[in-house]
Amino acid sequence: AQKVTQAQTEISVVEKEDVTLDCVYETRDTTYYLFWYKQPPSGELVFLIRRNSFDEQNEISGRYSWNFQKSTSSFNFTITASQVVDSAVYFCALSEAEDSNYQLIWGAGTKLIIKP
Amino acid sequence: DSGVTQTPKHLITATGQRVTLRCSPRSGDLSVYWYQQSLDQGLQFLIQYYNGEERAKGNILERFSAQQFPDLHSELNLSSLELGDSALYFCASSVGTMNTEAFFGQGTRLTVV
Repeated sequence: AQKVTQAQTEISVVEKEDVTLDCVYETRDTTYYLFWYKQPPSGELVFLIRRNSFDEQNEISGRYSWNFQKSTSSFNFTITASQVVDSAVYFCALSEAEDSNYQLIWGAGTKLIIKP
Repeated sequence: DSGVTQTPKHLITATGQRVTLRCSPRSGDLSVYWYQQSLDQGLQFLIQYYNGEERAKGNILERFSAQQFPDLHSELNLSSLELGDSALYFCASSVGTMNTEAFFGQGTRLTVV
């Protein structure tokens, strides 16, 4: 069965530190999509990235980077030089292309606290 | 701003009551999804509509129903409300049927007292 595990419930770092949020997934499908969303204290869910299972290239967007490794079924998210505004709950999610529901399976989220 | 609009932002109602949550998708998006976020269950998929038709069902209770109208806005109806229905309800929209790059509204926080 498909599953997304974010083992880190809460991470607290001091501003300017680098921080990595872990995401491990389980799926039987060969075609699937992985996502990261950010939920700031205001509550909305903000799309960060979508990755398909055939593209293992790492992605960098400003201070954000993502490391996708199929061998370990992981899709980790790193924030470099963290800022207080990065404080939020971050969700990793999985969508299987062969699942006719195409629903997002969510991890439990990691609460990231950036202290000034 | 994701372009997805949800109303109302907050709703407080009593047990046994019925409420309707409304969602306007991004311009051009044909798919609408409803998700529930609660403290004990986390984020859960409820239901998806595509161009007016129900496409997929998730963990949606029988007391809940939804529809998508010809103008593509969607409504989620919650009836016979229980305390446990208190949650943040999100609507998301995407262009196609696949749940890719779905953009979420700000959510409706429902409190059942």
